[in-house]
Amino acid sequence: NAGVTQTPKFQVLKTGQSMTLQCAQDMNHEYMSWYRQDPGMGLRLIHYSVGAGITDQGEVPNGYNVSRSTTEDFPLRLLSAAPSQTSVYFCASSSLNRASYTFGSGTRLTVV
Amino acid sequence: SQELEQSPQSLIVQEGKNLTINCTSSKTLYGLYWYKQKYGEGLIFLMMLQKGGEEKSHEKITAKLDEKKQQSSLHITASQPSHAGIYLCGASYSGNTGKLIFGQGTTLQVKP
Repeated sequence: NAGVTQTPKFQVLKTGQSMTLQCAQDMNHEYMSWYRQDPGMGLRLIHYSVGAGITDQGEVPNGYNVSRSTTEDFPLRLLSAAPSQTSVYFCASSSLNRASYTFGSGTRLTVV
Repeated sequence: SQELEQSPQSLIVQEGKNLTINCTSSKTLYGLYWYKQKYGEGLIFLMMLQKGGEEKSHEKITAKLDEKKQQSSLHITASQPSHAGIYLCGASYSGNTGKLIFGQGTTLQVKP
């Protein structure tokens, strides 16, 4: 019963490098989303998806790309990392009834 | 998010005291979610409110949603050091988008 799995847990990137944060869920949830958490700002929505093949932008989408080719996976891509993207990233999923949203344990990303 | 305002931003209480955290939405909610986060860890789901006037309790934590479904409060009775952490309210709105928006969070310290 894994729930939402995020990898890696920690990552250090140099400015300009690219990388993909992985998110996988095994609950057959339709909804998936990515957030970033910065001190004093709560969680801000980056991108979200209502199902395979469908994605949309959240509050802070610039600098990030997503795709949803399967129900289970929702990777977040940073094409050219910037120090402003230093943050903790959380992935979440929910079923259609939205009774609760399950969160992954987070990825702590530092861009130097 | 400006759609969802959470107050206060931080709170320091003496062990044994009661406290309340508020969450106000600029528009009618479909659902209001409360989460707790220990420092450096993931989000723990506390409860979800959906009906106007609804109230739910879990151990010493009670959450209420007002009749207009635009404001929620989280009340902790007889606080303990284990209650310390960051409390986050999240809001979903009507429509099948799966989008969940968060307030800024409330950092709670409980002094023994």
